[in-house]
Amino acid sequence: GQQVMQIPQYQHVQEGEDFTTYCNSSTTLSNIQWYKQRPGGHPVFLIQLVKSGEVKKQKRLTFQFGEAKKNSSLHITATQTTDVGTYFCAGGGENTDKLIFGTGTRLQVFP
Amino acid sequence: GAVVSQHPSRVICKSGTSVKIECRSLDFQATTMFWYRQFPKKSLMLMATSNEGSKATYEQGVEKDKFLINHASLTLSTLTVTSAHPEDSSFYICSALKPGQHTDTQYFGPGTRLTVL
Repeated sequence: GQQVMQIPQYQHVQEGEDFTTYCNSSTTLSNIQWYKQRPGGHPVFLIQLVKSGEVKKQKRLTFQFGEAKKNSSLHITATQTTDVGTYFCAGGGENTDKLIFGTGTRLQVFP
Repeated sequence: GAVVSQHPSRVICKSGTSVKIECRSLDFQATTMFWYRQFPKKSLMLMATSNEGSKATYEQGVEKDKFLINHASLTLSTLTVTSAHPEDSSFYICSALKPGQHTDTQYFGPGTRLTVL
């Protein structure tokens, strides 16, 4: 079945450093969504990308959808301690509202 | 906004009992809701798609007689874990699909932590 992998599984950075997580799907996606889950919390929707090669920015966060619509990345510039959490990508397929969640990348930021 | 609530937030029960979890979309109507399960430090695993007015669609490997889903109204879906066992202990999260102008978005509830003794 469809699989969505993320790397790295875990990363810790010093506050102010940049961070990137990569998401790869075994199949072509109709869209990719990104969520953030704080420790003990639930996933919170960040953004959705639909178009091939699309790039979107939210303040210090930059999201990219690959040309082949099988991969995506999330880049955080100058991390802050408030960025701590697990970042999940979630792939959407054609003609379905279901999401297949990636394995997640847990980010730890040290002050 | 799009607010989804879940109740209860935590539940502890004895092995063999049944537990019902409610998922409500508070400020929008959702014909489709989803139920996920999450183990500690793991990703979300889709269990089933809950459809208002019709039977739920279960993912492969999820026992429909074990996890009963009822989507009785446009704002409420329930998940009942029947004859719970310790291996059913997990974090259960629902989401409600909110229609958008171009695409639909899933909004997640706060989750229910189930512990079966």
